[in-house]
Amino acid sequence: KNEVEQSPQNLTAQEGEFITINCSYSVGISALHWLQQHPGGGIVSLFMLSSGKKKHGRLIATINIQEKHSSLHITASHPRDSAVYICAVYGGSQGNLIFGKGTKLSVKP
Amino acid sequence: KAGVTQTPRYLIKTRGQQVTLSCSPISGHRSVSWYQQTPGQGLQFLFEYFSETQRNKGNFPGRFSGRQFSNSRSEMNVSTLELGDSALYLCASSQGTGDYEQYFGPGTRLTVT
Repeated sequence: KNEVEQSPQNLTAQEGEFITINCSYSVGISALHWLQQHPGGGIVSLFMLSSGKKKHGRLIATINIQEKHSSLHITASHPRDSAVYICAVYGGSQGNLIFGKGTKLSVKP
Repeated sequence: KAGVTQTPRYLIKTRGQQVTLSCSPISGHRSVSWYQQTPGQGLQFLFEYFSETQRNKGNFPGRFSGRQFSNSRSEMNVSTLELGDSALYLCASSQGTGDYEQYFGPGTRLTVT
């Protein structure tokens, strides 16, 4: 079993829909990262959180440390949100970022 | 501030050759981490350098090595290339070692034929 599991793997939405991507992890962590990767490869850090909830524009990230679960929400989705969203945790025995496999989001106009 | 830069952006090599990739971090950032991304394995940690010292290493063979210079620029080297080394290699810089926000470069896409 992977230490970081994301669901769904693929997601297609219509413009304007509310989107949720989930991340579960099995190791002890100090923080969780949500990353966005557009076609072409560039990765952008969206959030880094260790408790509670953070909001940036239409993006909201939450984390429940006790349940070892985090969610990334996108409100009023737009085609430009189409990308791969990757959850990563810092912790475990290795002391480095451990990545989920990513969720590929496609938002149709 | 300029972002993280990586050179070259694309590279085609032949099996058995060696390759060196370069990463220039954001000014003031002293930590550089390297990652390999493949369709099958996703993103995997290679190593982290901080103040010219390797702080951590992922589960990769000894053919993968790296170094960091006094100006925080970093290089990674892969010797005796194998077909399976074809991947996107990303570096990321951060202000410190440990769990800091990471700023990623655009990556170097390596193809081994």
